[in-house]
Amino acid sequence: DIQMTQSPSSLSASVGDRVTITCRASQGISNYLAWYQQRPGQAPRLLIYAATTLQSGVPSRFSGSESGTDFTLTISSLQPEDVATYYCQKLNSVPFTFGPGTKVDLK
Amino acid sequence: EPHVVESGGGLVKPGGSLRLSCAASGFTFTTYTMNWVRQAPGKGLEWVASITTSSRYIHYAESVKGRFTISRDNAKASVYLQMNNLRAEDTALYYCVRDEGAALGMDVWGQGTTVTVS
Repeated sequence: DIQMTQSPSSLSASVGDRVTITCRASQGISNYLAWYQQRPGQAPRLLIYAATTLQSGVPSRFSGSESGTDFTLTISSLQPEDVATYYCQKLNSVPFTFGPGTKVDLK
Repeated sequence: EPHVVESGGGLVKPGGSLRLSCAASGFTFTTYTMNWVRQAPGKGLEWVASITTSSRYIHYAESVKGRFTISRDNAKASVYLQMNNLRAEDTALYYCVRDEGAALGMDVWGQGTTVTVS
């Protein structure tokens, strides 16, 4: 099975900082990659699909990029409501594996 | 607005069984693949099972294969997860999730139902 890794596992940043999270697939998955945000005590929320497309209603400070088997989620200017754990997920074939998550909090 | 609500969680002894239900509303249920995703306490997300629109294609995570059965009733706009031979490691919050497809992601999540095996 294809493995999904994320880095870093956690980070602290200040309001207004640019935050970058990386997800790597152990094999090619084309662009079948989604990003989810899970705020404390809440269900996950789809942020980005097809590696780079913003889900409707998601603020434009979130963006996704891809380079081969490396995928990046960027928050251009961190806001207090962005404190959450972020997960990537492969969708090209079963199993629909999630990455281990990246916890983002405020410095 | 699309909505899914899970139910059926609870406390069960190891080796026991439980059936989770998920009721969908606000969208055309028959046109969507549905999934179950779980999250153990303090841990990450784990995809559990998937069922396509007509139940033709069903897939399971290796960790539950042979013990869990996903099914759906399109007339009732519901999806189910029959869980048998439960283990302590099945303890988790179980989410019902709508699947828009490989290119579009999993876009509608319920609030989850808690299963505790102890």
